[in-house]
Amino acid sequence: DARVTQTPRHKVTEMGQEVTMRCQPILGHNTVFWYRQTMMQGLELLAYFRNRAPLDDSGMPKDRFSAEMPDATLATLKIQPSEPRDSAVYFCASGLGPGQGAGTQYFGPGTRLTVL
Amino acid sequence: AQKVTQAQTEISVVEKEDVTLDCVYETRDTTYYLFWYKQPPSGELVFLIRRNSFDEQNEISGRYSWNFQKSTSSFNFTITASQVVDSAVYFCALSETAGGTSYGKLTFGQGTILTVHP
Repeated sequence: DARVTQTPRHKVTEMGQEVTMRCQPILGHNTVFWYRQTMMQGLELLAYFRNRAPLDDSGMPKDRFSAEMPDATLATLKIQPSEPRDSAVYFCASGLGPGQGAGTQYFGPGTRLTVL
Repeated sequence: AQKVTQAQTEISVVEKEDVTLDCVYETRDTTYYLFWYKQPPSGELVFLIRRNSFDEQNEISGRYSWNFQKSTSSFNFTITASQVVDSAVYFCALSETAGGTSYGKLTFGQGTILTVHP
């Protein structure tokens, strides 16, 4: 049963520290998405990649957030420096696209980040 | 711009009741895709269904059914004989297309919190 995996599942850090979240997409999926979920804003798309190339990162605060795909099996989301307002659950999702069958995203379990 | 509205913020029912979750969408695309996801208390988002805009047939999967009506831009989700395990947040979502090809980017509604009491 193929699944998206994310590490760590929980992260507590202090303001100013660097945070790195990792995602392993489902094997064969060529599109990877990063979302942030908060009570106030709901699910927000931060960035997404196709075939490892960034397609859209307009949802991401550029000054402190960065997203990369070093290879097809790993996506990373980095926050440096972290701030308390970054506290949220960060989801990674993967899927296929473009074309038929595209659009369905399969989500990982999320990383719950708390910045003190 | 695309938009998905789930007007029901919270719904509370007693087990075995039927419940319908509403979803209304806005898009200028003639071809698009609609989705429902479930987020149980464990937190993971679980894919439930994908429907393209050319397929208006209703779908049934066990106790779940979906009613897609293009005329009213709605894609409603009904749970029949609800169970406690159905308690979750349910999200409706819309996928952008370009010339009919989906590129995978989803617009989510705000979600409906469903609580099923024993």
